[in-house]
Amino acid sequence: GQNIDQPTEMTATEGAIVQINCTYQTSGFNGLFWYQQHAGEAPTFLSYNVLDGLEEKGRFSSFLSRSKGYSYLLLKELQKKDTASYLCAVRDPAGGFKTIFGAGTRLFVKA
Amino acid sequence: EAQVTQNPRYLITVTGKKLTVTCSQNMNHEYMSWYRQDPGLGLRQIYYSMNVEVTDKGDVPEGYKVSRKEKRNFPLILESPSPNQTSLYFCASRKDGRSSGNTIYFGEGSWLTVV
Repeated sequence: GQNIDQPTEMTATEGAIVQINCTYQTSGFNGLFWYQQHAGEAPTFLSYNVLDGLEEKGRFSSFLSRSKGYSYLLLKELQKKDTASYLCAVRDPAGGFKTIFGAGTRLFVKA
Repeated sequence: EAQVTQNPRYLITVTGKKLTVTCSQNMNHEYMSWYRQDPGLGLRQIYYSMNVEVTDKGDVPEGYKVSRKEKRNFPLILESPSPNQTSLYFCASRKDGRSSGNTIYFGEGSWLTVV
């Protein structure tokens, strides 16, 4: 089957660091994406990993371990505007390279 | 400006009244798709299209139709809407269906309520 698991909700404090985990089981793998989605808005692209390791992009980093079916998104120096849902998504070569989304992790950043 | 535009953004309709949600992208993307997003379930793919005149079912196609007569447009048709189709709908596109790294561009979303 195809399954992507991530925590439903997390809370963190401004200025802190938070790690959002994602585990996946898919029939194939052709890359893992993280998207940010503010309430009532469309998802926007954050990061992409296809090889194992850490990709850093400013305050955001994403890690992938293909052998473990595991990824995390690391957010540093948290700001109020980071309050959003974070969607983990896996591209599967089946079904026209379909992108399968997790249900998302709602992150609340408090003062 | 690169964008995916969908209309209407908000709609309340009655059971059984046919409706179409339009989607247009200006990036010359080959691949387009429709998702619905429901609480606790995340984004689920309804239909996708690899190119003009090439469409296929996603995970939840029942009750929906699509067409791809031109590259830029990919309308979603609900022939006889039912209350379980009340949802937030996103149209999306990406450059092509083969390259692994191409990110998805989403429209702003269409809130549909069927009463």
